[in-house]
Amino acid sequence: EVVMTQSPATLSVSPGERATLSCRASQSINSNLAWYQQKPGQAPRLLVYGASTRATGIPARFSGSGSGTEFTLTISSLQSEDCAVYYCQQYNDWRPLAFGGGTKVEIK
Amino acid sequence: QVHLVQSGPEVKKPGASVKVSCKASGYSFTGHYLHWVRQAPGQGLEWMGYINIDSGGTHSSQKFQARVTMTRDTSITTAYLELTRLRSDDTAIYYCARDREITMTLDYWGQGTLVTVSS
Repeated sequence: EVVMTQSPATLSVSPGERATLSCRASQSINSNLAWYQQKPGQAPRLLVYGASTRATGIPARFSGSGSGTEFTLTISSLQSEDCAVYYCQQYNDWRPLAFGGGTKVEIK
Repeated sequence: QVHLVQSGPEVKKPGASVKVSCKASGYSFTGHYLHWVRQAPGQGLEWMGYINIDSGGTHSSQKFQARVTMTRDTSITTAYLELTRLRSDDTAIYYCARDREITMTLDYWGQGTLVTVSS
């Protein structure tokens, strides 16, 4: 079973600055990683799949990178509407699908 | 436009069962798997399983295998999750989510159904 670990738990970033979120897999998952954004009281939204492909309608300031066991989601210039919890999800081994514990991004 | 609309909140006693529905519209219902994910209060996301809407075949996480049943009714484009022998730690928001082209990534989500288990 693949275990996903995200860091940091909370990230405080000034508006317009870069936010860098990390996700680590307990074993290689190739590029089979997705990122989701969840705002308070809302369902998650797919941001990135295939480690680096933005989903439909996702702004270009969101970018994903990595392969194997180490992955990064970068928000190039943080906007107030980006305050949310971000989850990574592996789908290389879907028995079971696994999410990371989440990183909360807040405005400094 | 893709929409997944779930049934309303439920309050159940320990030991009871709950059945949550997920009504799909705006896409070919049989062309996509449907997943179920839950989120306990203040916690992260937990995958429960998926149903192949076309065949009706299912696969669930080992954690829930003995207690969960996923079904669908293609005539009304609705999927269902039933969870039996409820415990207090089953209190959570239950989401249905569409699989993006059988990739195990989840591109559209329902609004969630709060299930509260309390005596």
